[in-house]
Order: sequence, then C-alpha cells, then structure tokens
Amino acid sequence: DAGVTQSPTHLIKTRGQHVTLRCSPISGHKSVSWYQQVLGQGPQFIFQYYEKEERGRGNFPDRFSARQFPNYSSELNVNALLLGDSALYLCASSAQLTAHEQYFGPGTRLTVT
Amino acid sequence: AQSVAQPEDQVNVAEGNPLTVKCTYSVSGNPYLFWYVQYPNRGLQFLLKYITGDNLVKGSYGFEAEFNKSQTSFHLKKPSALVSDSALYFCAVRDLFHGSSNTGKLIFGQGTTLQVKP
Repeated sequence: DAGVTQSPTHLIKTRGQHVTLRCSPISGHKSVSWYQQVLGQGPQFIFQYYEKEERGRGNFPDRFSARQFPNYSSELNVNALLLGDSALYLCASSAQLTAHEQYFGPGTRLTVT
Repeated sequence: AQSVAQPEDQVNVAEGNPLTVKCTYSVSGNPYLFWYVQYPNRGLQFLLKYITGDNLVKGSYGFEAEFNKSQTSFHLKKPSALVSDSALYFCAVRDLFHGSSNTGKLIFGQGTTLQVKP
C-alpha cells in the first residue's frame, strides 16, 4: 500500500502570494494533520481534520486554512505569504482521531522569496 | 501546558558504541510519548511509543526507550550504533486535550542530531 503522499515536493513563491499544498492519507485513514517544520526546529501543529471536520487548530494566523475532502485527502492553504512561512510542511495520517500511530508524508518544502 | 525538551542539539558516538538521546517531558496526567527519526529531505518515521505497561519500550531498527516517571524522562537508546543511524531525532508527546476536543496533536521537541562516526 502507498504511504502518505504530498504534492508538490518543492515550491517557490513570492511574498503576498497564495499557496495550496495537498495530502493524500493512507488508504482507510480518516484523520489528517498538518505540521510546519521551520529549519532547525521541531514540527509545529497547524490543523487536524477528521471525517471532514476541523478537530484541532494550532497557534497559526487566519492566513492558514485547510479542508478535508470526502475521500479524506486534504489541502492546506496559506494566503498572503510571508518570508517566515518558508518551511517544510508535513502531513500525517491516522486511522482514527486519537489513534496513537501517525504516519508522516515526505513533506512539501515551501520557499518564500 | 504539555511539553518535551531535548537538552542536546547534537550527540556524537562512534560506530559500535551505545547511544543515548535524551528527552524530558512535562504533562498533566499520563504521558503518551513517542520517538521519530528524520533523514535529510524526508518526513518523519515512527520509531517507538510509550502508552502504558513496561517502562522499557522496544522499537524499530534496534532502538529502545526507557520511560522514567520519577525523572519525567524518556531517553532513546541503542546498544550498538550504526553509521546509518545518523539522522535527526525527535521526541514527542500527545496533547490529548487540546481546547475542548480530543485531538491527535503531537508536541515535538527541538530535535537532536545524531552523528555516528566510523
């Protein structure tokens, strides 16, 4: 079975632009979480979606939004990009909302210039 | 607030020697603790978890971790290090009560770079 997949792999955007990142969870997994990993730091929780509903949100501005589709895939949207949004964005899937096993994708490297 | 700390930015060991990567935690209630490894330009790979039961937890690739409640620690260990173990290691704790809902949120430490030299 395929693991968690994310697209694109790399992305370069300009300040003020908008970006959409995509994640496909492991087949059968209903929960998707998004994390931001700035260089030299641990991942920071952005969102968790379960059964298409937002179930958790981290300390990120409203420029960050996400959604989950009926097939459980997910999009992370970031508006009005800032230089500080440059990071590796990780998606994790799990079978249930509070399942202990979370599986991470390879991430999308976003560079904002 | 729940948190984890990894006091060492980098750990250097020689191949074949035992390794330890340190982690301490601060939680209210029972901790659910995890170790992940990250290779360059890759996502996180799950190594092991402590939920309940034996304090010594065995995981992938020969790694193990010791849960110590009195010292609030969850150190990662391996009896004999390999060069291929060189990577970035993260300790994490589950935040099961975030706001008014149960979530699967993980709180990560800053990470420790492990360098294993031949």
